[in-house]
Amino acid sequence: AQSVTQLDSQVPVFEEAPVELRCNYSSSVSVYLFWYVQYPNQGLQLLLKYLSGSTLVKGINGFEAEFNKSQTSFHLRKPSVHISDTAEYFCAVSDGGDYKLSFGAGTTVTVRA
Amino acid sequence: NAGVTQTPKFRILKIGQSMTLQCTQDMNHNYMYWYRQDPGMGLKLIYYSVGAGITDKGEVPNGYNVSRSTTEDFPLRLELAAPSQTSVYFCASSGTGVYNEQFFGPGTRLTVL
Repeated sequence: AQSVTQLDSQVPVFEEAPVELRCNYSSSVSVYLFWYVQYPNQGLQLLLKYLSGSTLVKGINGFEAEFNKSQTSFHLRKPSVHISDTAEYFCAVSDGGDYKLSFGAGTTVTVRA
Repeated sequence: NAGVTQTPKFRILKIGQSMTLQCTQDMNHNYMYWYRQDPGMGLKLIYYSVGAGITDKGEVPNGYNVSRSTTEDFPLRLELAAPSQTSVYFCASSGTGVYNEQFFGPGTRLTVL
């Protein structure tokens, strides 16, 4: 099974500033990569996913992520955050051919005015 | 479409009691999953199912049981509740194949005292 490391447990950021959330996974021949967001007291919802093709993936709410195979990373970015982006963000990975996901520990983003 | 629904939202159990967490999806998904979420630990897979009548253990199955008699329902049973089972439980479902995102329910917050 994959091991997923989210390098920051808490990220405080001011409104309209950029944010980057880091995710690394254990090496594999082929992987599928996902970022999910969990707003307070809610379930998880998909932000974006990488299956193949372009290494830069765009998702909902202005987020994007870049797949770097050589560094086994899938970092999430947003150029300008809003108060409403305050949430917990999870990186998830599945080995090619396996529908089960391995999740990272999560990164809590707190956006301040 | 209600998506994935879970009941109850909250529950307090005494040590040794039993209960069933209900999960229903209306998307005709074959795959269903149960996760637990503990602070700083991300989501851990408890059990999963690839279709009615088929279930399998995930990463942390001890103390839990599941059944899948219909495509829609995937209840999770806790026998002899222990304080270590205090957690937030999420049910999810997905279509067939690794390309399909998992859709999550709103969660059940369980406390065992």
